[in-house]
Amino acid sequence: GAVVSQHPSWVICKSGTSVKIECRSLDFQATTMFWYRQFPKQSLMLMATSNEGSKATYEQGVEKDKFLINHASLTLSTLTVTSAHPEDSSFYICSAPSPQGAGGELFFGEGSRLTVL
Amino acid sequence: AQSVTQLDSQVPVFEEAPVELRCNYSSSVSVYLFWYVQYPNQGLQLLLKYLSGSTLVKGINGFEAEFNKSQTSFHLRKPSVHISDTAEYFCAVTKNSGYSTLTFGKGTMLLVSP
Repeated sequence: GAVVSQHPSWVICKSGTSVKIECRSLDFQATTMFWYRQFPKQSLMLMATSNEGSKATYEQGVEKDKFLINHASLTLSTLTVTSAHPEDSSFYICSAPSPQGAGGELFFGEGSRLTVL
Repeated sequence: AQSVTQLDSQVPVFEEAPVELRCNYSSSVSVYLFWYVQYPNQGLQLLLKYLSGSTLVKGINGFEAEFNKSQTSFHLRKPSVHISDTAEYFCAVTKNSGYSTLTFGKGTMLLVSP
């Protein structure tokens, strides 16, 4: 089946630095990808919708300048956490819709755990 | 707006016992319903989905769920659980067909002990 891969799976960085997370659809094209944030023992919160060839759509309360999203190609979306602080530490997950399109099924990446010291 | 309620944050159960994870939703329109499983430090994997047709849906790993429109529920069941079923389970709903975002419940942690 369709596979979505994230990299890195975990990253530790110093406060004030920027971190880039990649999300790739490995065997299908994805004009849309979704980025979620998950706090410990919590559900997934949609942060933004990444659109190939246009600007990302951010959910209410998500800082656009803080979480930069770039959908560079039909198989790659990146999330950059700029000037990261400890409160940005979280598990970030991306997803891409099924190429078949029906029913809104999403394929999820493995997730990226960010720890900001 | 749509919402999903998972009534139990944690369900402890012994191996080989049956289990039911509850999910209720609210929506003013027809919905599609999903159950996802998340193992520690991993992304989500689709267990099963209800789009239309038979209200009893069978998924992977021996799980099944029943869509009950009158009770707006989509409870997940397994007749005999294994230690390997220990994971977080998320119920999700979307009102759109095609490419759409999902609204997730808060998750239920299934803890299977020997």
